[in-house]
Amino acid sequence: QKEVEQNSGPLSVPEGAIASLNCTYSDRVSQSFFWYRQYSGKSPELIMSIYSNGDKEDGRFTAQLNKASQYVSLLIRDSQPSDSATYLCAVNMGTGGGNKLTFGTGTQLKVEL
Amino acid sequence: SAVISQKPSRDICQRGTSLTIQCQVDSQVTMMFWYRQQPGQSLTLIATANQGSEATYESGFVIDKFPISRPNLTFSTLTVSNMSPEDSSIYLCSVGGLAGGPPTDTQYFGPGTRLTVL
Repeated sequence: QKEVEQNSGPLSVPEGAIASLNCTYSDRVSQSFFWYRQYSGKSPELIMSIYSNGDKEDGRFTAQLNKASQYVSLLIRDSQPSDSATYLCAVNMGTGGGNKLTFGTGTQLKVEL
Repeated sequence: SAVISQKPSRDICQRGTSLTIQCQVDSQVTMMFWYRQQPGQSLTLIATANQGSEATYESGFVIDKFPISRPNLTFSTLTVSNMSPEDSSIYLCSVGGLAGGPPTDTQYFGPGTRLTVL
């Protein structure tokens, strides 16, 4: 069964630190990878997408992809209390899946003052 | 990204009844999906809503329980039929394939519908 796995957390980091969120996936042919942020009681909000090996930066966020290791991560620099949320990793599992995304269970991030 | 609305935002329903949830987008999109998110859980895809044809359901979801319509490129409905307390969940629509937008598999979510079945 095709899977996306995340550590459920909670991951606690002090304000101003770097938060590192990790995700592994089972299907080697996966091509597209996404990070969503979900505040309690709200719907998921797209933060970043990444398609190629390496790093992709957007403001305080950096997504890292390593297809050989089937690993994608999200780094949040200068973490703020407003970053406290659940972060969902989503993967397009590729062949035969069309445009469907498979979601991980999410990692809860807590940024402490 | 598109502006996505869902109606109702929440509802409390009695066992055995049905509820239809609407999803409206402010621009044409090629892809529309329906998800369920049970308390404390991640997102589970129910089906892909196909314009002008029957929806494509995921394993464990059937048309009789979750009929879906998609009459055009900006609107879809999901009906939760013959409800039981186990159907209590948040139901989310998502869209992808915005004209001139990011790749088709990039999905944006509506605000969700919180359903409680008594």
